[in-house]
Amino acid sequence: SQQGEEDPQALSIQEGENATMNCSYKTSINNLQWYRQNSGRGLVHLILIRSNEREKHSGRLRVTLDTSKKSSSLLITASRAADTASYFCATDLQGAQKLVFGQGTRLTINP
Amino acid sequence: DGGITQSPKYLFRKEGQNVTLSCEQNLNHDAMYWYRQDPGQGLRLIYYSQIVNDFQKGDIAEGYSVSREKKESFPLTVTSAQKNPTAFYLCASSIGAASSYEQYFGPGTRLTVT
Repeated sequence: SQQGEEDPQALSIQEGENATMNCSYKTSINNLQWYRQNSGRGLVHLILIRSNEREKHSGRLRVTLDTSKKSSSLLITASRAADTASYFCATDLQGAQKLVFGQGTRLTINP
Repeated sequence: DGGITQSPKYLFRKEGQNVTLSCEQNLNHDAMYWYRQDPGQGLRLIYYSQIVNDFQKGDIAEGYSVSREKKESFPLTVTSAQKNPTAFYLCASSIGAASSYEQYFGPGTRLTVT
């Protein structure tokens, strides 16, 4: 079942620019998480935002959550070549003890 | 890759053979998960276990089996009944049930069946 869907599917920007990725979901959630995956590697957790939170920061990352629109965004400021990766949102289904991952946004940072 | 190991990194098998993928964690986490990732796609949940000696089917469990005899180990067997087993397999763990905790992922095993 597809709970979270990221947009855009692919994004290419110049180093130093900001990158914004969006995630939409269908049903009510308790939490939403963002993960990063470098090519051919496992995923790395970035941020968890709870349904009663609207914004969260971690270093150059800013995540927002709008439960009325069932959407979240991930902003990476001052991008670096090392930020090149795929980014996934993961949502829980209320009452379910598992996460559902979207198909991801492939971000390319050009030097 | 945070205390979770998967072996081997690459695995090749002939069609019709069962194969077992290893996943070990030393994080003392109760919950463990197996995901499948196809090229350019997201992760799909195969099986998960919230506690030793207990596990539940995920969204695509057909053709797979698991065991959870020890807290630190959660091996996945890809059986000959899995119609399209070639994929990248990821194991993960979390302190408790998935929805409230971050998951820690292993480096993955790329399985090729010919």
